[in-house]
Amino acid sequence: GENVEQHPSTLSVQEGDSAVIKCTYSDSASNYFPWYKQELGKGPQLIIDIRSNVGEKKDQRIAVTLNKTAKHFSLHITETQPEDSAVYFCAASRGGAGSYQLTFGKGTKLSVIP
Amino acid sequence: SAVISQKPSRDICQRGTSLTIQCQVDSQVTMMFWYRQQPGQSLTLIATANQGSEATYESGFVIDKFPISRPNLTFSTLTVSNMSPEDSSIYLCSVGSTSDSYEQYFGPGTRLTVT
Repeated sequence: GENVEQHPSTLSVQEGDSAVIKCTYSDSASNYFPWYKQELGKGPQLIIDIRSNVGEKKDQRIAVTLNKTAKHFSLHITETQPEDSAVYFCAASRGGAGSYQLTFGKGTKLSVIP
Repeated sequence: SAVISQKPSRDICQRGTSLTIQCQVDSQVTMMFWYRQQPGQSLTLIATANQGSEATYESGFVIDKFPISRPNLTFSTLTVSNMSPEDSSIYLCSVGSTSDSYEQYFGPGTRLTVT
């Protein structure tokens, strides 16, 4: 089955700096890679995703890159703000092909220091 | 995205008892899923709740322990049976997007503590 590794497990940045979280996956058939943000006491919120036919996707201050050859993808947050502090999870699936199972990384706790 | 609610939001239960968690969606969805998130950990898929048929369970999860119902396209329940302290977790339902076959959206979760 799919295995997703996520690094780092914790990340502290100064407000205004950039944050990068990296994930690798094992199943070459995976074609969908979402990122979720989970704030304390809440369910995970889908913040951005990327499919295997695209190398990069950007939405305001967040961006995701995908390297299919190396089987890794990354989340980039620029101009970090205190409200970006949360746990971030990457995931992988064979979405759209009848298999919707998401395999999650172990999460990264991001702390943005004012 | 769909609006998903779960009941109860949290509960404290005694070992040996059972708890049924409800998941309600504001629109009809084909795919509904149940996940477990143990304290400080990642999310693990328990099962896929299929409307009108038996749920499909992942390795390590069995129907006798986690019976699931899916009576219609907007509602599902997960029961945690014969609970032990190891069942203390957050239980989350998620739904597949109605407009996109890839995306999944999560409910707020049910925080269960077993004493």
